[in-house]
Amino acid sequence: EVQLLESGGGLVQPGGSLRLSCAASKFTFSTYAMSWVRQAPGEGLEWVSTINGRGDSTYYADSVKGRFTISRDNSKNTLYLQMNSLRAEDTAIYYCAKDPLNSDYVWGSYSWGQGTLVTVSS
Amino acid sequence: QLVLTQSPSASASLGASVKLTCTLSSGHSSYAIAWHQQQPEKGPRYLMKVNSDGSHSKGDGIPDRFSGSSSGAERYLTISSLQSEDEADYYCQTWDTAIWMFGGGTKLTVL
Repeated sequence: EVQLLESGGGLVQPGGSLRLSCAASKFTFSTYAMSWVRQAPGEGLEWVSTINGRGDSTYYADSVKGRFTISRDNSKNTLYLQMNSLRAEDTAIYYCAKDPLNSDYVWGSYSWGQGTLVTVSS
Repeated sequence: QLVLTQSPSASASLGASVKLTCTLSSGHSSYAIAWHQQQPEKGPRYLMKVNSDGSHSKGDGIPDRFSGSSSGAERYLTISSLQSEDEADYYCQTWDTAIWMFGGGTKLTVL
């Protein structure tokens, strides 16, 4: 069974930075795109960013573009989200998610982590 | 603009069936969508992909009580023989290139 374990959340002041990690296991990490999705308190799911399997293509929601950077280390089976210039509205649970399509465009399944809470407050 | 629309809430009785709807914006009726379930205080769980022709492919371990279908720009999730653990938020989601979009979610109450 696919396992995704996020870490790195916490309390940070407005304008501060935080780096989230997502350790992946039980699948061939490098053959899948990976994404970050967040959920503000009491709200729905919001896509944040996606990176392809090789790590050479990245995509961002307008709300985080220029402030957040997604990356991955395929040798460590780990996904990252560097978050800079944090704002109160970035407060949310951040989930990492595995894309259902592998590099051969075969549909498998989405998988989700359990999430890590980021709170931006002074 | 690609947008997914869901009713904010739905309810049905224990043991009954319920059909949740996700509507794709105009011009996007050929898009497939995915359904995800989020039980209280838990992370999302993938349920299934629903194609424009109504075919669907479920995630591992998803009970037969869950099924998907389509009609035009609408994508459906039907849950039969409702159980208490089905009380959850249900999100539809689609994608364009690598960009994901979510519907606002439907909160299902099992009476």
